[in-house]
Amino acid sequence: AQSVTQLDSHVSVSEGTPVLLRCNYSSSYSPSLFWYVQHPNKGLQLLLKYTSAATLVKGINGFEAEFKKSETSFHLTKPSAHMSDAAEYFCVVSVLSGGYQKVTFGTGTKLQVIP
Amino acid sequence: EAQVTQNPRYLITVTGKKLTVTCSQNMNHEYMSWYRQDPGLGLRQIYYSMNVEVTDKGDVPEGYKVSRKEKRNFPLILESPSPNQTSLYFCASSTRQGIYNEQFFGPGTRLTVL
Repeated sequence: AQSVTQLDSHVSVSEGTPVLLRCNYSSSYSPSLFWYVQHPNKGLQLLLKYTSAATLVKGINGFEAEFKKSETSFHLTKPSAHMSDAAEYFCVVSVLSGGYQKVTFGTGTKLQVIP
Repeated sequence: EAQVTQNPRYLITVTGKKLTVTCSQNMNHEYMSWYRQDPGLGLRQIYYSMNVEVTDKGDVPEGYKVSRKEKRNFPLILESPSPNQTSLYFCASSTRQGIYNEQFFGPGTRLTVL
């Protein structure tokens, strides 16, 4: 069994300040981890992914995430928030189980950026 | 342009009237999946398909059917829709090793069942 917990349903930051969106996971298998972003009334776009290579992963638009196995975490960060970062963010875990892929989404974190 | 398309984008229907939401991808992907998105619940997987004629249930399959007769198409069928199936639906696809590769999402279909 696997699960994903996004610890904050809403995060509010001022423009130019750091962003931290928290994600914890549990999995019986070695997972791949992803962050997707969904802008209002849009589909989902991949921000970054972890696939057992480097534990610090860099993505698009200045975002990065660090895989910490001991803490079962995959938090998303950005040094300086921009107004265009306002969106909903989803942490996703993917495993292969019995030859079938199992994908689980977190419940999402809405990021508000205050001018 | 590489893309996943869904039709219709918006649909209002009544309880019990069968409907189909189509999904098509032009990237020759083996893996396709359907999700529903509800406020506070994130995206939940309905069904997925590892390849042609290979489908399996996700987390919330009740009330839905799928088929995968061709590699590019993966329609979602609601035989007898009910109001609790009012939701935003996304189709997604990825290459065979989907665990490592990103999923490409369609634009979504907003369904209202009255």
